[in-house]
Amino acid sequence: DADVTQTPRNRITKTGKRIMLECSQTKGHDRMYWYRQDPGLGLRLIYYSFDVKDINKGEISDGYSVSRQAQAKFSLSLESAIPNQTALYFCATSDSGLGRNNEQFFGPGTRLTVL
Amino acid sequence: KNQVEQSPQSLIILEGKNCTLQCNYTVSPFSNLRWYKQDTGRGPVSLTIMTFSENTKSNGRYTATLDADTKQSSLHITASQLSDSASYICVVSARRGSTLGRLYFGRGTQLTVWP
Repeated sequence: DADVTQTPRNRITKTGKRIMLECSQTKGHDRMYWYRQDPGLGLRLIYYSFDVKDINKGEISDGYSVSRQAQAKFSLSLESAIPNQTALYFCATSDSGLGRNNEQFFGPGTRLTVL
Repeated sequence: KNQVEQSPQSLIILEGKNCTLQCNYTVSPFSNLRWYKQDTGRGPVSLTIMTFSENTKSNGRYTATLDADTKQSSLHITASQLSDSASYICVVSARRGSTLGRLYFGRGTQLTVWP
């Protein structure tokens, strides 16, 4: 969805390096999420933010940190990348104003490889 | 334990044929169930959403059913096309009082449509 953009789209890095993945959205949504997807495991939630001052850990937050710089921007950092963080990372947004609809709009993904 | 199980894990069908994908869940309290389609290399996109009171919802050639009593949902694809080749993900939203609860993702069914 062009309304949710992720940079970079692909990244190869080495063990121990610090990596930042960025997400921007023009949908005006207040809620933003970071997921990782591994083959055969489906999507797993890393962190989520319901507004600029609200940051919450997901089910697999160890080794990751996030920053909600503005309502439209949510970045994910790997302070010291390790090989098992090799995965496809997705940013998503949703609008709390839609009540319990909870539709999430996903970005195109960032493929991260840690050597 | 709240879980979402999908079957089959993968499916190959010939163009023009119909198919049905299954989703069983144990998420409680239940808010809604959504089917997403994820094309290779892209983020998931919502196909349908169903709440507790709905048992059928259609979106073109896609028809989702929900049996809230048995906690089962199915996604039926009619007259399949090559563009239907994708992963189909079942996502169940838990209810948390008046606010949105957590999302539970299935691992997806990988559908391949052959000409």
